[in-house]
Amino acid sequence: DAKTTQPPSMDCAEGRAANLPCNHSTISGNEYVYWYRQIHSQGPQYIIHGLKNNETNEMASLIITEDRKSSTLILPHATLRDTAVYYCIVRDYPYNQGGKLIFGQGTELSVKP
Amino acid sequence: DTGVSQNPRHKITKRGQNVTFRCDPISEHNRLYWYRQTLGQGPEFLTYFQNEAQLEKSRLLSDRFSAERPKGSFSTLEIQRTEQGDSAMYLCASSLGRGQEVTDTQYFGPGTRLTVL
Repeated sequence: DAKTTQPPSMDCAEGRAANLPCNHSTISGNEYVYWYRQIHSQGPQYIIHGLKNNETNEMASLIITEDRKSSTLILPHATLRDTAVYYCIVRDYPYNQGGKLIFGQGTELSVKP
Repeated sequence: DTGVSQNPRHKITKRGQNVTFRCDPISEHNRLYWYRQTLGQGPEFLTYFQNEAQLEKSRLLSDRFSAERPKGSFSTLEIQRTEQGDSAMYLCASSLGRGQEVTDTQYFGPGTRLTVL
């Protein structure tokens, strides 16, 4: 089963920041948090991942709480093309099994004009 | 970097027929994964290869399913005696993993959509 809980849907105005929350209260100390998104009928797209520290790349920022029980994905200036299902995933461990991704239901983000 | 490719993109078949899908991973990626996604659900893990070795199989992978990666490059997923419940998107992902590294990123292909009539 997925180790994460996300709201099923969210709306965001175009140009505004989209803040997508994720709860992972049972995360272990050596498990990473990954975010993927899936635009309709396409394969999932990697966004970002982190362990403890906040991370930023060209797509998004990832904020992980100090106790690591929750995180927030931030899309700083959402566009209509960011409309997608966003998945927060705790990477399966121990990793010597390859680290399969266990997807939950995700959050359906709708960016509106 | 040409990305992960999957063929065919769409497949319609009749119940009881066999189907085979192909996945070409990103060049030099040693790890390859298969997932299945039904409508409205997140992808579910099916199986995982490191090079040519199949190291893990999900309980979802019944005996009608078989996956191979004969030379550690492309992979095939075959479903025998298809059932209507097999209708889904079949996704392939690849990554470059080193030892027990925990941060290799899986890159997904566009998927093969299977419809069983």
